[in-house]
Amino acid sequence: AQSVTQLGSHVSVSEGALVLLRCNYSSSVPPYLFWYVQYPNQGLQLLLKYTTGATLVKGINGFEAEFKKSETSFHLTKPSAHMSDAAEYFCAVRVGGSEKLVFGKGTKLTVNP
Amino acid sequence: DAGITQSPRHKVTETGTPVTLRCHQTENHRYMYWYRQDPGHGLRLIHYSYGVKDTDKGEVSDGYSVSRSKTEDFLLTLESATSSQTSVYFCAIQTGTGNTGELFFGEGSRLTVL
Repeated sequence: AQSVTQLGSHVSVSEGALVLLRCNYSSSVPPYLFWYVQYPNQGLQLLLKYTTGATLVKGINGFEAEFKKSETSFHLTKPSAHMSDAAEYFCAVRVGGSEKLVFGKGTKLTVNP
Repeated sequence: DAGITQSPRHKVTETGTPVTLRCHQTENHRYMYWYRQDPGHGLRLIHYSYGVKDTDKGEVSDGYSVSRSKTEDFLLTLESATSSQTSVYFCAIQTGTGNTGELFFGEGSRLTVL
C-alpha cells in the first residue's frame, strides 16, 4: 500500500528565507503526488500536483515541487517566505487506478518576522 | 469553483447519541469522500462514494456509516458517538477525471463528543 512521510511536523523560517518542506512516498508503481495547504479554520486547498511529464511542478503562491523518482521524494519549496505562507501543508499520494488519496501527517509552517 | 457545503459546521453531542453530518455539492461530481483530521494524524479516509448507492470503506471506517441516495448529497453517520470520534470532519469531491483528479474540500465540521 502506498504511504506518505512528511519529515518534520513543525518548520520555522524567517520572512524572506527559503521554505523547504519534505515529503517522501512509498509506492511500487509510479505515483500521482499532490501538495495541499490548510489555513487556520479552513479546508484544504490544492497547491500543486505531479502527474506525468515534467518533474518540476509549479503551483500557486510561488511554490514548486520536484518529483525525484530515485529518491522517492516530492519536496515543496519556495525561494522567499512570506508571512501569509504560515499554514499547515499536506503531501498526498494516489497510486494509479486507486480512487483514494492518502495524506501525510502534515507540516506546520511558521514564518517569523 | 466547485460548490461544496457541510452541515452542521459545529456540533456538540453526548456519548451514545447518533450524529449525521451532511455534505452537499452543487455539481455532479461522481466521487465524494469523508475524512477526519486529528492532530498528529493528518487526514484519514473514513468512507468514500463513487456514485449513487456506491460506497466503500477507508482506513478508519469502524463506527461510521455513509449513504448516498442522490448525486449531490453524501451523509456520514455515527450510530452511537464516542469520545474518540471527537474530530474535525472534512468532505471532499473529486474534480477532474482519473488519477489526476484533484480533491476539493469543504470547510469542515467540528464535532465534540462529551
